[in-house]
Amino acid sequence: EVQLVESGGDLVQPGGSLKLSCAASGFTFSDSAMHWVRQASGKGLEWVGRIRSKANSYTTAYAASVKGRVTISRDDSKSMAYIQLNSLKTEDTAKYYCTTSLRLQRSFDYWGQGTLVTVSS
Amino acid sequence: DIVMTQTPLSLSVTPGQPASISCKSSQSLLHSDGKTYLFWYLQKPGQPPQLLMYEVSNRFSGVPDRFSGSGSGTDFTLKISRVEAEDVGVYYCMQSIQLPPITFGQGTRLEIK
Repeated sequence: EVQLVESGGDLVQPGGSLKLSCAASGFTFSDSAMHWVRQASGKGLEWVGRIRSKANSYTTAYAASVKGRVTISRDDSKSMAYIQLNSLKTEDTAKYYCTTSLRLQRSFDYWGQGTLVTVSS
Repeated sequence: DIVMTQTPLSLSVTPGQPASISCKSSQSLLHSDGKTYLFWYLQKPGQPPQLLMYEVSNRFSGVPDRFSGSGSGTDFTLKISRVEAEDVGVYYCMQSIQLPPITFGQGTRLEIK
């Protein structure tokens, strides 16, 4: 069974940093690109970024709203994906989901339950 | 960035009646590989999004056949032939022909009358 489990969400002050994790199981993690999508409370979905597989040189891409403040990484030996959030702003407050495409190109067919990041003083 | 515009933003439907959601993209979603990268997701209350339709008109595994998708280029529609109580939630269209960024529509909230 495919599982994606996010963790690391917390309350953090503006300007602070946080690293979120996504533990993957039930599929060949090393072959899969991993994406992060966030959702502020009561709002829509916003793609944050992605990291591709080793075969695709671990290429990353980011949304303009987070570029320069966010780094996505992965550890294939542990089947883990990460997102490092720096210089956090109140508008980064959201539930962060990790998601991937296993059966279909360019879609998100599996999602985790998300982890909540709250940026507030 | 490709802008995805959904209408309506909310929908109230009597069980058994049809529903329709429109999604328009600011650029064509037809890729040179012949595929159109337009997807529909449903986010039920308290849950992560779940994939409903891929490449415009293909139902994902387990999706009931009362859901159908159509359209091409920049204009797309999700239809529910007979709405059921379990269809409540927010529907999103998404494009992934171009990244960064992948973009979503604003969402359409479906409620039952």
